[in-house]
Amino acid sequence: KQEVTQIPAALSVPEGENLVLNCSFTDSAIYNLQWFRQDPGKGLTSLLLIQSSQREQTSGRLNASLDKSSGRSTLYIAASQPGDSATYLCAVPTGNQFYFGTGTSLTVIP
Amino acid sequence: SQTIHQWPATLVQPVGSPLSLECTVEGTSNPNLYWYRQAAGRGLQLLFYSVGIGQISSEVPQNLSASRPQDRQFILSSKKLLLSDSGFYLCAWSETGDSPLHFGNGTRLTVT
Repeated sequence: KQEVTQIPAALSVPEGENLVLNCSFTDSAIYNLQWFRQDPGKGLTSLLLIQSSQREQTSGRLNASLDKSSGRSTLYIAASQPGDSATYLCAVPTGNQFYFGTGTSLTVIP
Repeated sequence: SQTIHQWPATLVQPVGSPLSLECTVEGTSNPNLYWYRQAAGRGLQLLFYSVGIGQISSEVPQNLSASRPQDRQFILSSKKLLLSDSGFYLCAWSETGDSPLHFGNGTRLTVT
């Protein structure tokens, strides 16, 4: 069974810093990996989807990388802003199911 | 474009009462549909998923059930709620098992 882990569980940074969130998975036979953002009391918003054939995917200040062989993905956030404060989750599909990490709670301090 | 609707947004129910949460998707056909639960301070737990009408797979034994009476409608039910059923329930859809996953806004259920 696929297991997804996210480290750290919580992160607090001053505004303007660049930061990296980590996601690891145990079964490298994945089609893609998806990063989500969740604001308190809200549903999940998709940020980036990176296909297994890709190594990187970029959207604005966000950059996701994927290393299938080592079972790792990172989400890089450049020039963090207070509006980036949220919980970030990664998910991998296996079969017809999606396996989620427990998320990283990010606080960006003005 | 595709949209997903989930309702109600919040619900407070007494222990032992029934439950019905509904989710509908527009703008696509035969999507994969999912029900997740997120307990306070915990990760997402997959409850049910469906790859077609009448096809339901259950991931966690519990007093909840799911049904898919129409192609783009997914219903989560319970005959008698427990306190432990409190949580944030999220419906999601994808075109296939490896397509992007899209979530509804969720239902906050409090069982009192």
